Formats: sequence, C-alpha cells, structure tokens
Amino acid sequence: DTAVSQTPKYLVTQMGNDKSIKCEQNLGHDTMYWYKQDSKKFLKIMFSYNNKELIINETVPNRFSPKSPDKAHLNLHINSLELGDSAVYFCASSLEGGARDEQYFGPGTRLTVT
Amino acid sequence: RKEVEQDPGPFNVPEGATVAFNCTYSNSASQSFFWYRQDCRKEPKLLMSVYSSGNEDGRFTAQLNRASQYISLLIRDSKLSDSATYLCAVNIGSFQKLVFGTGTRLLVSP
Repeated sequence: DTAVSQTPKYLVTQMGNDKSIKCEQNLGHDTMYWYKQDSKKFLKIMFSYNNKELIINETVPNRFSPKSPDKAHLNLHINSLELGDSAVYFCASSLEGGARDEQYFGPGTRLTVT
Repeated sequence: RKEVEQDPGPFNVPEGATVAFNCTYSNSASQSFFWYRQDCRKEPKLLMSVYSSGNEDGRFTAQLNRASQYISLLIRDSKLSDSATYLCAVNIGSFQKLVFGTGTRLLVSP
C-alpha cells in the first residue's frame, strides 16, 4: 500500500501548456505539501495545506495553483509552463503540520518542459 | 549565508568505516531538525528526527549542538547500501516549514 502517491510519474510537455499533478495520501494526515527539487537537487517547499486550508505559500509564480478537494488530496496545476519549471515535484504529508511532525514523501513527478 | 548548509561531498568511504556529516543552520530560533536519506531518482525518506539530547537508531547517531548551530549524523560500520545523499532539514516556526540543505553524498565502496 503506497502511503503517498503521485500521478503521473513522468510528464513531458511543451512550453505554454497547462498541466496538473495529482497527489493522494492514505495515512490519515491533516497536512500536505508540495516541493520542487531542481536540477541542482535543491529541495524547496512551495505550498502546504492543513485540512484543505492553505498554510504556506512560498514565493511561487501564480501560474502554480494548488487545490485540495479534501485532506487526503493535494493537486498542483501549472499554467503556461516555462522551461524553468522543469524539475522533480514531490508531494508530502505529515500528521498535523506541527514543527516536530515527520514528513512522508511521494515518489515524485519528473516534469520536463521542452 | 544560506539558511541550511551541508558539505556536498562526495564522501568516499570503505565498507565498515565510520563517517560523520555536519549540517549548519543560520536561524537560532530553529526548533526541530531532521535527517533524510535520498537515493538517486527517488524521494527523500525520513532517517531520523534529531532531539536535543541526541538520539541513536542502530548504526546511526544524530546530535544537535544549539550553541554552535549545527546537527550531525554519524554512521558506524558503513554498508554498501548506505550509499545515498543525506539531507538535513530544519524547521523554524511553530508550523512545519522545512528548509533543506543541498545534501551530502555518501559513497561506500567494497
């Protein structure tokens, strides 16, 4: 049983397109996150949601829009894709979102924009 | 200065060796600390949380030094399977907002 799952695993698309990545967790956690890991392997948080409410919104272009239909799902929609959006996007979840929570990551979505 | 800094390595060690990594953080208000392991083309996996008193899990020992603002990870009796990138993560506020270091790569050879 996969705790945190993401689809698709790979996504290759052209500049200017709009795409979505889906994330689901079956851990019963209240908080979910999106991270971006760039080509230099730097892992940086983008968003976090707690029970469907936005908690963290880092300085991410507004072409990126997270959506949480329920606390087990956090999807990421990206409009007008750019070359610089190419990266691996990881979803994660944690129990409550407190400082000492342990986060569990999904397998990642490797996005390539051509 | 970066919020969280790690020596990128790689650290090349033979099997059975003991190896230690440090991770420095800049914000003295940081509250919680973690070590993650990331294999090539895989997701980060939590290795251990780091407690003020230090903690040990088998061959792995984590320490926190608040005065000097660093955390450390010690791996004893290295195995080939320990080869990976080790990421430290630091949380500053009361909500979880992890700031990751760029990772230290470990290569264990036969």
